[in-house]
Amino acid sequence: DIQMTQSPSTLSASVGDRVTITCRASQSISSWLAWYQQKPGKAPKLLIYKASSLESGVPSRFSGSGSGTEFTLTISSLQPDDFATYYCQQYNSYSLTFGGGTKVEIK
Amino acid sequence: QVQLVESGGGVVQPGGSLRLSCAASGFTFSSYGMHWVRQAPGKGLEWVAFIRYDGSNKYYADSVKGRFTISRDNSKNTLYLQMNSLRAEDTAVYYCAKDPGPQGYYFDYWGQGTLVTVSS
Repeated sequence: DIQMTQSPSTLSASVGDRVTITCRASQSISSWLAWYQQKPGKAPKLLIYKASSLESGVPSRFSGSGSGTEFTLTISSLQPDDFATYYCQQYNSYSLTFGGGTKVEIK
Repeated sequence: QVQLVESGGGVVQPGGSLRLSCAASGFTFSSYGMHWVRQAPGKGLEWVAFIRYDGSNKYYADSVKGRFTISRDNSKNTLYLQMNSLRAEDTAVYYCAKDPGPQGYYFDYWGQGTLVTVSS
């Protein structure tokens, strides 16, 4: 199975900060990567697919980049609603696998 | 609007069985692949199983292979997960999730989840 490693596991930031989360794959997954946001007690929400395509309705402050084995999710200006846990997920091959998550906390 | 509503969770003893259901509405269910994804308490997300739009192909995580069976009834717009030989480590919130296509890629809509607790 392809292993997905996210860093950092926790990130403390302030409203207005630029935030970057990294996801690394154990082998090349081309651009077959998605990003999700999850808030406590809620289901995850799709943000980005195919590494850099913004899901409809998702604010443009979210962006994704990368290909091969290294990917990033960037929030250009952190808003109060963005404090949550973020997960990457590869869909290059089965089994589908997620990163361990990055919790974005209020500084 | 797309709606996915899971049911069937509860408390079950180790070695027991449970069947989860996911009622879908707001889209043409028979045209899309569907998944089950779980999340143990305080832990990350784990993909469990996928079924192709027509039920012709199924994939499972190694952790559930041989114990869980995914199925669907397109006439009832319902997805199922039959879980047998349950273990403590199967305790989790189970989400059904819609794929954006027929074949199985990622998850564009999720249900609210149903909690399965395996405990004696």
